[in-house]
Amino acid sequence: AQSVAQPEDQVNVAEGNPLTVKCTYSVSGNPYLFWYVQYPNRGLQFLLKYITGDNLVKGSYGFEAEFNKSQTSFHLKKPSALVSDSALYFCAVRDIGDYKLSFGAGTTVTVRA
Amino acid sequence: DAGVIQSPRHEVTEMGQEVTLRCKPISGHNSLFWYRQTMMRGLELLIYFNNNVPIDDSGMPEDRFSAKMPNASFSTLKIQPSEPRDSAVYFCASSSTGQANTGELFFGEGSRLTVL
Repeated sequence: AQSVAQPEDQVNVAEGNPLTVKCTYSVSGNPYLFWYVQYPNRGLQFLLKYITGDNLVKGSYGFEAEFNKSQTSFHLKKPSALVSDSALYFCAVRDIGDYKLSFGAGTTVTVRA
Repeated sequence: DAGVIQSPRHEVTEMGQEVTLRCKPISGHNSLFWYRQTMMRGLELLIYFNNNVPIDDSGMPEDRFSAKMPNASFSTLKIQPSEPRDSAVYFCASSSTGQANTGELFFGEGSRLTVL
């Protein structure tokens, strides 16, 4: 079985400050890990993924995420947050060989000006 | 390029009525997923098609729900009869086989269903 935990329902930061959204996962084998973003009344948009290789993955809009196998984590980060980054962020995991993506509950990010 | 197209964007209906949601995947994509999003349960996978064939419908809540994919460019999700607890946002997502293997799904804008 595979699962994802996003321990924070909400994250609030000031514009220009670093942003971190936490994610931990559980899979029986090797994971494929993803971050998606959802703006109000929109569908989910792919941000970045970890498949293999470098533990630091860079994605869209200046976001990056670090895969940590020992801590089974895949935290999303942005060095300097923008007000326009305010949205709902989902972490997702898939076990290699499976087609199903398991999504976390989502974390609402609010960046204040 | 056109993304995944869903219709209607909003649907308000009364309990007991039939609801049909439609999806046009991205051209060339051969995997299609229907998800449901609610505050209580988050994102739930309802059904997965590959090359127009339903592979996994274990997430379909009950017999009132059915989904079809008659060709590579069209899929429907039908609820008959609808109930207030079916109120949710229903998303369609597509990917090519390679992307489905790595999980990069492309989502539509969703259909927001309200059953009174």
